[in-house]
Amino acid sequence: QVQLVQSGAELKKPGSSVKVSCQASGGTFSLDTLNWVRQAPGQGLEWMGRIIPYFNSTIYAQKFHGRVTLIANESTTTAYMVLGSLRRDDTAIYYCASGGYYGLGTFQFDPWGQGTLVTVSS
Amino acid sequence: QSILTQPPSASGTPGQRVTISCSGGSSNIGTNIVTWYQQLPGAAPKLLIQNDNQRPSGVPDRFSGSRSGTSASLAITGLQSEDEADYYCAAWDDSMNGVEFGGGTKLTVL
Repeated sequence: QVQLVQSGAELKKPGSSVKVSCQASGGTFSLDTLNWVRQAPGQGLEWMGRIIPYFNSTIYAQKFHGRVTLIANESTTTAYMVLGSLRRDDTAIYYCASGGYYGLGTFQFDPWGQGTLVTVSS
Repeated sequence: QSILTQPPSASGTPGQRVTISCSGGSSNIGTNIVTWYQQLPGAAPKLLIQNDNQRPSGVPDRFSGSRSGTSASLAITGLQSEDEADYYCAAWDDSMNGVEFGGGTKLTVL
């Protein structure tokens, strides 16, 4: 059973960048897809992108292209989401979520990490 | 605005049947599988329905999903107070080359 544990809350200034980690255990990290989804306060879910660690293969949502980078460290089974040029409206809870074995070719997320609150404020 | 359209709210009394719709287009629901998530207050989302109509292990059979054309729906029978949550549909969109979520439906159990 895969478990995902994320890093703690962050307070960042506008224009800076944030790096959120997601450590996986209990699964086949390298061949799973790790997705990132965010949720602004009181708002819905927004998919940001996904990475397949073994191939270092990434897909980014058009909205975040150029501003987000997904990284995976196979030795520590940890995925990272780096979001740059932060704006106040990037304030949100950021979730990592497993999409399961990459060969399934689907984007269905289970389980999810507990979420990391990123607050962007001067 | 979301590409997948859900009603912002739904409600029912205990024991009732409630349905939540999710309307999309040919590039998403019309072509790709739909997934439903349940988000309880203050918690991370949880996979509720996968592959249009399959319940993951542990999800009660009170929950069911269906897809037809460019729309999908989630049905909850025998409504219980613990079903009060936000519900989201999701699907891959071939035009956007990404996963699209519906705007979410807040279910209230009266």
